[in-house]
Amino acid sequence: AQSVAQPEDQVNVAEGNPLTVKCTYSVSGNPYLFWYVQYPNRGLQFLLKYITGDNLVKGSYGFEAEFNKSQTSFHLKKPSALVSDSALYFCAVRSYNYNKFYFGSGTKLNVKP
Amino acid sequence: DTAVSQTPKYLVTQMGNDKSIKCEQNLGHDTMYWYKQDSKKFLKIMFSYNNKELIINETVPNRFSPKSPDKAHLNLHINSLELGDSAVYFCASSQERGHTDTQYFGPGTRLTVL
Repeated sequence: AQSVAQPEDQVNVAEGNPLTVKCTYSVSGNPYLFWYVQYPNRGLQFLLKYITGDNLVKGSYGFEAEFNKSQTSFHLKKPSALVSDSALYFCAVRSYNYNKFYFGSGTKLNVKP
Repeated sequence: DTAVSQTPKYLVTQMGNDKSIKCEQNLGHDTMYWYKQDSKKFLKIMFSYNNKELIINETVPNRFSPKSPDKAHLNLHINSLELGDSAVYFCASSQERGHTDTQYFGPGTRLTVL
């Protein structure tokens, strides 16, 4: 069975500090992993995805994520957080039955000035 | 220029009523989806259509019926609304049937059942 876990409901970080939002996955076959961001009262926006190749994936707004196969993780990172990064972040895995996404429970990122 | 649009944005209605939510995408995508996001922000897929054909139908009450008149539209009709149907419903689309597709989401429809 495919699943995604985001162990932290909330992450607090000061502006200018690095941030990490954690994600672990369970999937049959090769994992196709995604990060989405949701701002208040908005739909989800695509940030980045890992399909194959380099384990470090760069995406929108300065975010990047590192695929770690041995730890089955796909943590989202940013070297220097901005207050405007405050939002809800979702990790997702695409299933072997390729039209179905499984989303994590979301992590609320709070960046304080 | 809106890629995936939904109407209405807000929907407040009484229990027992029937309502519809419309979704349109102008991205030329083949596949469209409906998701439900509950009050705890948990996101779960409900339906998926590819070229007007239903390909995913999760465990959703029969009161929910998707309809796809063409591949650019996927509407959601809900009969006999219940309090538990209150949620935000998101439409999404993707390009093709493949493992690598990125889904593009609409702005959501906040349904409140009183």
